[in-house]
Amino acid sequence: GAGVSQSPRYKVAKRGQDVALRCDPISGHVSLFWYQQALGQGPEFLTYFQNEAQLDKSGLPSDRFFAERPEGSVSTLKIQRTQQEDSAVYLCASRGNSYEQYFGPGTRLTVT
Amino acid sequence: AQSVTQLDSQVPVFEEAPVELRCNYSSSVSVYLFWYVQYPNQGLQLLLKYLSGSTLVKGINGFEAEFNKSQTSFHLRKPSVHISDTAEYFCAVMGVQGGGADGLTFGKGTHLIIQP
Repeated sequence: GAGVSQSPRYKVAKRGQDVALRCDPISGHVSLFWYQQALGQGPEFLTYFQNEAQLDKSGLPSDRFFAERPEGSVSTLKIQRTQQEDSAVYLCASRGNSYEQYFGPGTRLTVT
Repeated sequence: AQSVTQLDSQVPVFEEAPVELRCNYSSSVSVYLFWYVQYPNQGLQLLLKYLSGSTLVKGINGFEAEFNKSQTSFHLRKPSVHISDTAEYFCAVMGVQGGGADGLTFGKGTHLIIQP
């Protein structure tokens, strides 16, 4: 079956622009996670959804970061007024009934 | 809160030799443990996980790991590596009390380099 997909795969934004990153989880997966992976580092947790409810957003680095999942399926991570330090790979993962999180290929964001 | 330490940022190994990638963790609560592999420009793929039971767990691609609670370690091993094992390997933990709702806490990764 289809895995987790993310779009776009690559995004170049000028400093100050807003960006929107999309995640399509595995069909039927209730839980959805966003992570940020800086170059040469491990992924860091950003936020967690259970269906449409955002239950944990403790990892969002600033109020410029906003995530939503309005219908409990597709999720969008939005970054307003991008800064150079936002350059990273943004990973989305979904989880079904097991404890395993299935990861998408990521979106590589470069802020110039 | 949890933290994960992967002691080696890079491990070079000759093809068909054994390898061990080290992982230590710190946590005030019980944890589940995971090893993920990341190939270039791809997402993370689960190699294996420890939830409970036998402390020796076997995963895909011939990898295995042993959970040692007293040493708070979860080292990854493979008896004979192949060129195709060249990748970044991440150790991760998740608090048990969250029921799976917690995000994973990852180490910084170990780059496994297989030399012919």
